[in-house]
Amino acid sequence: QVQLKESGPGLVQPSQTLSLTCTVSGLSLTSNSINWIRQPPGKGLEWMGVIWSNGGTDYNSAIKSRLSISRDTSKSQVFLKMNSLQTEDTAMYFCASGNWWFAYWGQGTLVTVSS
Amino acid sequence: DVVMTQGALPNPVPSGESASITCQSSKSLLHSNGKTYLNWYLQRPGQSPQLLIYWMSTRASGVSDRFSGSGSGTDFTLKISSVEAEDVGVYYCQQFLDYPRTFGGGTKLELK
Repeated sequence: QVQLKESGPGLVQPSQTLSLTCTVSGLSLTSNSINWIRQPPGKGLEWMGVIWSNGGTDYNSAIKSRLSISRDTSKSQVFLKMNSLQTEDTAMYFCASGNWWFAYWGQGTLVTVSS
Repeated sequence: DVVMTQGALPNPVPSGESASITCQSSKSLLHSNGKTYLNWYLQRPGQSPQLLIYWMSTRASGVSDRFSGSGSGTDFTLKISSVEAEDVGVYYCQQFLDYPRTFGGGTKLELK
């Protein structure tokens, strides 16, 4: 049974750095890619980036300068770090598996950017 | 970036009726390999999105055959035959031909 679960701080102050973890079970990170996708409250979905099965990464150019995705295969965890957070970064953050389509999703973690 | 534009539904949709959701891309998603790089998802209220259709017309595992996808290179349709209560939510199309992967703005389905 494939499961993905996001975890993170919930509340981040403006200009600070967001750190999120996606813990994966039921599939191998060395055979599957993991994406980060976010959704502002009441709005649509934005693909942020992906870490491929070989460890390579691709990012959305709109946020590439602020974003970093990495992983620890021994712990089956994928990490997202995004700096210089602003209020418009308030969103539900999802991790999802898949190269081209996102077959498995986590439940999401809500991140609020506020002082 | 490839812009995905979705149409609205004439909500609410009567239970048992069919519903068609449209999606248009700013660039042809038909690859030279003959495949169309378009997916559909359903996000039920309070839940994560769920994959329904990939390669424009292939149903994902466990998805009801009431869902069908069709289209050309830039114009796509998700048809739901005989709408049921469990179909309520927001539907998204998504392209995977180019980076960044992009989604449509979503189409809400409400049941009458």
